[in-house]
Amino acid sequence: ELKVEQNPLFLSMQEGKNYTIYCNYSTTSDRLYWYRQDPGKSLESLFVLLSNGAVKQEGRLMASLDTKARLSTLHITAAVHDLSATYFCAVEVFSGTYKYIFGTGTRLKVLA
Amino acid sequence: DAGVTQSPTHLIKTRGQHVTLRCSPISGHKSVSWYQQVLGQGPQFIFQYYEKEERGRGNFPDRFSARQFPNYSSELNVNALLLGDSALYLCASSLLGQPQHFGDGTRLSIL
Repeated sequence: ELKVEQNPLFLSMQEGKNYTIYCNYSTTSDRLYWYRQDPGKSLESLFVLLSNGAVKQEGRLMASLDTKARLSTLHITAAVHDLSATYFCAVEVFSGTYKYIFGTGTRLKVLA
Repeated sequence: DAGVTQSPTHLIKTRGQHVTLRCSPISGHKSVSWYQQVLGQGPQFIFQYYEKEERGRGNFPDRFSARQFPNYSSELNVNALLLGDSALYLCASSLLGQPQHFGDGTRLSIL
């Protein structure tokens, strides 16, 4: 069964602190995506990672991919309140047809 | 440029009815995908269409169907609605292999 697991599911952190969200997936994937969703809103694309060792950074967020370990991380540096949201990773897999499998999501709350 | 637009924004149906949801992609995007999102969960992939052909299919029953038109807009049809079909239905468009851009969704409630 294709699975994408994120941990932690919930994360409450103080402003200024660093933390990492982990995304494990169970099968070979060509692409891994990170998205952000604010409450009551739609999803916003953050990163797409295409190859082993890929690293992308945007502001206080940095994503990396280890295809051998089937693991992606989203690192938050010096968190600010505006980063409070739910973060999803998603993988694109092919098994006769293409599928996009989303993780369970990590709900991040940054406390002022 | 306009983003992904979906219609209607909200819809109330009763069990057994059918529904059609519509999506217009970002100009230039030829790929459209559909997702179902239940409150508190991640999106569940339903279909992806590219150049009017089905490219991807999730694990949804045959009551769910979709199509893409020559202008790349898309429809999602759901027949014989069940209470469990109540959810937010999201449409996303993209250039193939690139991040998907999501619409605001259609909130479907089944009574």
